[in-house]
Parts: sequence; structure tokens; C-alpha cells
Amino acid sequence: ETGVTQSPTHLIKTRGQQVTLRCSSQSGHNTVSWYQQALGQGPQFIFQYYREEENGRGNFPPRFSGLQFPNYSSELNVNALELDDSALYLCASSGDLTGVENTIYFGEGSWLTVV
Amino acid sequence: GDSVTQMEGPVTLSEEAFLTINCTYTATGYPSLFWYVQYPGEGLQLLLKATKADDKGSNKGFEATYRKETTSFHLEKGSVQVSDSAVYFCALTRRSSNTGKLIFGQGTTLQVKP
Repeated sequence: ETGVTQSPTHLIKTRGQQVTLRCSSQSGHNTVSWYQQALGQGPQFIFQYYREEENGRGNFPPRFSGLQFPNYSSELNVNALELDDSALYLCASSGDLTGVENTIYFGEGSWLTVV
Repeated sequence: GDSVTQMEGPVTLSEEAFLTINCTYTATGYPSLFWYVQYPGEGLQLLLKATKADDKGSNKGFEATYRKETTSFHLEKGSVQVSDSAVYFCALTRRSSNTGKLIFGQGTTLQVKP
């Protein structure tokens, strides 16, 4: 039990639709990151939010966007879904920006299938 | 850019066998190195970490030593159990990035048979 909860756990969307995934961080953690994990691959960093501001972004197009709320919960939004967006989306929270001083905790993920 | 390369799996071992999963990295500066484990149906869990050269991380019988001269962080365990069956990910982050961005290898599946 990491204290990081994600919803929904599974969902199916049609190409071109939009999706919102949600994450509740571990208590006291002000930093949240999102990762995309394609089947059989390692997770890829999408972006990080710190105190409600984006603080770093990986190689993902602008149709991937996020929000962090004052209670440090977070959303990942993906517009104009493509088949290649099918993956496990992981939320990770930490008590520091660098992820070195404090452990990064991952949720169990949201499985997105785009058909 | 920074990258992590792991040995390809799956790795299949008998219970009580010795385990080595190789991991090498490419990065500027002095990254921090991690091993994460993903059990079936679960999220990633931190297994161990090392933040500077020659550091040894250890947890639950697993060990890995940060070798800067060979840019490696191989995972070892002296005697594996069936319950160790999982996918293992090597990862790095650079403190200087100030983002906590983890760069992962592709993962190595370990299957331990009774």
C-alpha cells in the first residue's frame, strides 16, 4: 500500500475521444509525476507538477496535459486519443522535487485501451 | 541523452538459485540509481537505491552496487524465492534536473520455479 490511488483502473475509449485520469497523492506529498508504460516497456516520463505548476515535461505532445489541485491531487488529460496511447498510466508522488531525498511512490495505474 | 539498458528477459530460475540482472546506464554527471519491482497486478515499488559511486543499496536480500567506472548497477540476490517472481526495472534520475524524472530500462521479467 503506497498511499497513491488512481482512478479509473481500466477504461476503453474510441480513437479521437478525450480521457481524464485521476490521482490522489500520498498525504503530505507536494510533487506528482505521470508516466506512460506501454506493454512490455519501461515507464516513460510525461510530466511533473509541483505546487500546482508544471515543473518538467517529457517527449509528449501538447494533447497530453495535466492539473494539480491545492490538495495535491492531480489529473492527466489526453485529447484526440490515438491507438498508440493504449498503455498503463502511472501516477507517482514524492515529498521533494528531485526524487532522491524522499522515496517516489507509485500508484497501481490506470489501464487505457484505445480502439 | 540519458538512458538505461537492462538485460533482456525472461529470466527463469529454480528456487534458491543465485540471481543477477545486469543494468548499465548512460548519463552526464552523477545520477542516482534505483531498482524498482512490479509484482503482477500491482504498481511499481522501490526495491533499493544508491545515490553516489560505490554506494551499495540493499533490501529484502537484494543488493546492487553503484559502479561509476563501468556505469553499472547490477541487481543480485543470493537465493531467490518463488515470491520474487516479478518484473524488475533499473532506473536513474539526475538531481540537477530538479524534476525527479526517472528514466527506466525496459524491464526484466523474473520467473522463479519451485
